[in-house]
Amino acid sequence: DAKTTQPNSMESNEEEPVHLPCNHSTISGTDYIHWYRQLPSQGPEYVIHGLTSNVNNRMASLAIAEDRKSSTLILHRATLRDAAVYYCILISRPGKIIFGKGTRLHILP
Amino acid sequence: DAGVIQSPRHEVTEMGQEVTLRCKPISGHDYLFWYRQTMMRGLELLIYFNNNVPIDDSGMPEDRFSAKMPNASFSTLKIQPSEPRDSAVYFCASSLKGAVGGNQPQHFGDGTRLSIL
Repeated sequence: DAKTTQPNSMESNEEEPVHLPCNHSTISGTDYIHWYRQLPSQGPEYVIHGLTSNVNNRMASLAIAEDRKSSTLILHRATLRDAAVYYCILISRPGKIIFGKGTRLHILP
Repeated sequence: DAGVIQSPRHEVTEMGQEVTLRCKPISGHDYLFWYRQTMMRGLELLIYFNNNVPIDDSGMPEDRFSAKMPNASFSTLKIQPSEPRDSAVYFCASSLKGAVGGNQPQHFGDGTRLSIL
């Protein structure tokens, strides 16, 4: 199964953009790149996903490298409520989902 | 919109007792997933259903664990007998069936925090 690699933790200042990187060098052609986040005492929350093209939604943007071996989740203006663990996951079919340890994002006021 | 609803939110029980966790998926969703989260092992997929049929239960730790989905709006995860090492947060998630396998997000409930004494 294709695996992802993320930094253990990152810090960012409030109201500044945040770029969360993810490496997935063994990605296959059918793998979608999904991002979820988990706030304390809550279930994971879907953030965004994409296949080849960059994607934008109300929560974030997803930038996918041309060779698809890496991607970056972009939070345009971090708030304290964005402090969470962010998971980058590859999914090719519904049951093939492996959560890694994710990146713990700290937001500094 | 109602999200995935899990009950109870917290469960504390003694070793050897039967534990039943409940989940109501989002209406219209075709897939239902059960996960377990611990500090040591992170978030693990236990079993998932498609149209109420179990598809893959290879993540279920042992025979003490069983899951059912009697209809499209209800699923249970049962542990009998329970052991202290079963203590964890159990999440249920649901998703639509996409035209392509990985093209649908999963929507998670808030989980059941289970403590076995």
